Amino acid sequence: KAGVTQTPRYLIKTRGQQVTLSCSPISGHRSVSWYQQTPGQGLQFLFEYFSETQRNKGNFPGRFSGRQFSNSRSEMNVSTLELGDSALYLCASSEIIQGKLFFGSGTQLSVL
Amino acid sequence: DQQVKQNSPSLSVQEGRISILNCDYTNSMFDYFLWYKKYPAEGPTFLISISSIKDKNEDGRFTVFLNKSAKHLSLHIVPSQPGDSAVYFCAAPNAGGTSYGKLTFGQGTILTVHP
Repeated sequence: KAGVTQTPRYLIKTRGQQVTLSCSPISGHRSVSWYQQTPGQGLQFLFEYFSETQRNKGNFPGRFSGRQFSNSRSEMNVSTLELGDSALYLCASSEIIQGKLFFGSGTQLSVL
Repeated sequence: DQQVKQNSPSLSVQEGRISILNCDYTNSMFDYFLWYKKYPAEGPTFLISISSIKDKNEDGRFTVFLNKSAKHLSLHIVPSQPGDSAVYFCAAPNAGGTSYGKLTFGQGTILTVHP
């Protein structure tokens, strides 16, 4: 099976802009989660989607949003970008096995 | 509130010796733990897990030990190999929930294995 695919791999934006990141999960996986990784905060949970419904949301402002499509593909959006949003954004998919996530390689977002 | 803590930011070990990575947690509701390994420019990959009904789980060179009374777990790698050099994260799933994808991660420990 193909792994989790995230696009784009790298992204450079300026403050105030918005960005959309895309994730294609492993075929058959219905759960998709998003994480933010920064040097200071480590890996922080953003949100999780299962069958097009948001099941959980982490402690992030409303500028961070996401959605999942009927084919399980997911997108996350960050509006009004701030410098502190510079991070590696990781998508993960899973079967119904708690915690065993398969991660993509991530999208490295730089906000200038 | 850092519910999962890895207090050692880095660990350096000689090839062939044992690597011991430690993790502490504060939430007594956590009943399942996982270790992930991450190489630069890649996403984390699942390594090994342990349920709270066990105190040890082994998979090849990797063994995880769980001490529930101390709220402590450790990952042992024996023997260590240069290819094991990576960042290691311990993690716990959403306590008491039905989430499949929400994990609380520790800050990670950078393991360097010298030839």
